[in-house]
Order: sequence, then C-alpha cells, then structure tokens
Amino acid sequence: EAQVTQNPRYLITVTGKKLTVTCSQNMNHEYMSWYRQDPGLGLRQIYYSMNVEVTDKGDVPEGYKVSRKEKRNFPLILESPSPNQTSLYFCASRLRPGGLDEQFFGPGTRLTVL
Amino acid sequence: AQSVTQLGSHVSVSEGALVLLRCNYSSSVPPYLFWYVQYPNQGLQLLLKYTTGATLVKGINGFEAEFKKSETSFHLTKPSAHMSDAAEYFCAVSDQTGANNLFFGTGTRLTVIP
Repeated sequence: EAQVTQNPRYLITVTGKKLTVTCSQNMNHEYMSWYRQDPGLGLRQIYYSMNVEVTDKGDVPEGYKVSRKEKRNFPLILESPSPNQTSLYFCASRLRPGGLDEQFFGPGTRLTVL
Repeated sequence: AQSVTQLGSHVSVSEGALVLLRCNYSSSVPPYLFWYVQYPNQGLQLLLKYTTGATLVKGINGFEAEFKKSETSFHLTKPSAHMSDAAEYFCAVSDQTGANNLFFGTGTRLTVIP
C-alpha cells in the first residue's frame, strides 16, 4: 500500500530533550515536506526537500533540523525542544518537486513539550 | 507572494443542504489552487485542484470549485451535505517556485447537522 508513515504518533517530552520524528514514504517520491498545524494558523511549512541531500527552509524553520540521506526517509529533528513547539506535525511527499500532483500526507505526530 | 484567505473558521449546515466554503487568493501570477480535506485524526487528502483550463473543477465526493479570476476566489461547493462530509477543509496555493511549495489557509471546520 502506498503510504507515508510517521513515528511516533504521540510524544510527550520535556524542554531541551532532543527528539527525532521519523517520516518514510514507499512511493519513490522525490519531494518531501514537513508541516506543523496549530489552531487558527492552518499548516505552515517547516522544511522541504526536493531530492536526496537537497533540503531548504520553509516558513517556520527555527528550532528544527532535517536530513535527507535516503530518498524514502525525511526525519525531523528538534535539538532542544521548547513548549512553543507543541503542535501537530505532518510529513508529506509528492512525486516531483515542481509538480502539481497530489501531496500525500502522513497520519500526523502530536508533540507536547512540557 | 502567494497567499490564501479562508473566510469562516467554522461552518455548520444541515444534512442535505448546500455546502459553501470560501477561499480567496492573492497571487502575482496565475495561481495554482487546491482544496484538501482533513478527517478527524487523519492527514490531509486532495479534494481537487485548479491549474489551467476549465475554471469549474470537479473533485472527489461530489465537491467542486470554481476559479473566478475577477473575484480572486476559489470557493468549494457541494449541492447536498452528507454526515460524512464533516471535516476540516484547507484551501492552498502553490508558490510557483521550482519546488511548488503549498501555502495553506487557516482552515474551515465543517459541521453537518442531522
């Protein structure tokens, strides 16, 4: 089944404790992206990647890191999480970077930083 | 820069009534526009998109949207609401860079009253 998977689905952590949210897709998509969803703000892009080893900042990159060492994986790293990073995070992928085809979204990761 | 505005964070309709969700866009170039739907506890999925050509676009689950350049609008409609339509709906516009990143609106939560 074609899908985007994220782990963990739920995470409660404390300020300053490094964490990684994994994202994997099995569709051989070149483009991948991370978003955060907050009430009243919709989805905002954190980082995106147009291919292996090619990543760039979105609208809200502060406090986050990403890497794209393999085509299928695009982990989101919070080196020192803070309470304002409490949010619902979505990973998405699309076949081509410049394409207009559908973005496929993962099920989301709900992160709480205490 | 491209952006979208969704009027009404919450919309309630009776089952069988017309659904109208509003989206206005701002774009310095002819826009590429999308509607995505998010069912409870799930990721987003594409309802429909407008790129070029016919201004009335039909999507899944009986939804359609009309691109109106003169009104800078891309409103989503469905003639008859069903209980299963209850979800959050997001309008999005492409930034039309090499990556074609999406900028999402703040979302409209649709409630369907039996």
